[in-house]
Amino acid sequence: NAGVTQTPKFRILKIGQSMTLQCTQDMNHNYMYWYRQDPGMGLKLIYYSVGAGITDKGEVPNGYNVSRSTTEDFPLRLELAAPSQTSVYFCASTQFYEQYFGPGTRLTVT
Amino acid sequence: KNEVEQSPQNLTAQEGEFITINCSYSVGISALHWLQQHPGGGIVSLFMLSSGKKKHGRLIATINIQEKHSSLHITASHPRDSAVYICAVRQRDNTDKLIFGTGTRLQVFP
Repeated sequence: NAGVTQTPKFRILKIGQSMTLQCTQDMNHNYMYWYRQDPGMGLKLIYYSVGAGITDKGEVPNGYNVSRSTTEDFPLRLELAAPSQTSVYFCASTQFYEQYFGPGTRLTVT
Repeated sequence: KNEVEQSPQNLTAQEGEFITINCSYSVGISALHWLQQHPGGGIVSLFMLSSGKKKHGRLIATINIQEKHSSLHITASHPRDSAVYICAVRQRDNTDKLIFGTGTRLQVFP
């Protein structure tokens, strides 16, 4: 199993641009999450999904959108990127309460 | 006040020393996780606890539900243990959502 994979690893965006962060898991997990990690702060939940077709907002959803059309994929969309969205983004999935994290995407918005 | 507090924020040790990292939380939980984040950024799950104590190799995790407190101990520390250790609590709902501490940065010197 590849586990949880994320692409890209790094990206620099200009203010106002859009992009999609990809997340895929091959473990058939129902629960998936997007977090952001800012320096000196704990991970914050952006969006989560408890299964295909079901998504819900986390703590910090503004400026982001998600979709979950399949069990495997949980892409995170940034519309109109802002400098406040500069962060490291982690996707994760869980099964039987064990958390599996992707390697992260480091995004800079300038 | 954060719902999950870790101490210390930073910790340096000499190789071989016994390390303790503490985590206190203020919400009702169904489980507590200890995670490790290496300088490369990847996050791995070390322990998931709902009561008592767990041990993997040189790592020991304990939890006191009444006191709302958990500790992570590293015996015979080694430079490869240098990482950020993150405490996270699972809320008592059916979404598997976690609340994260800000992490403890550990550096072990030879």
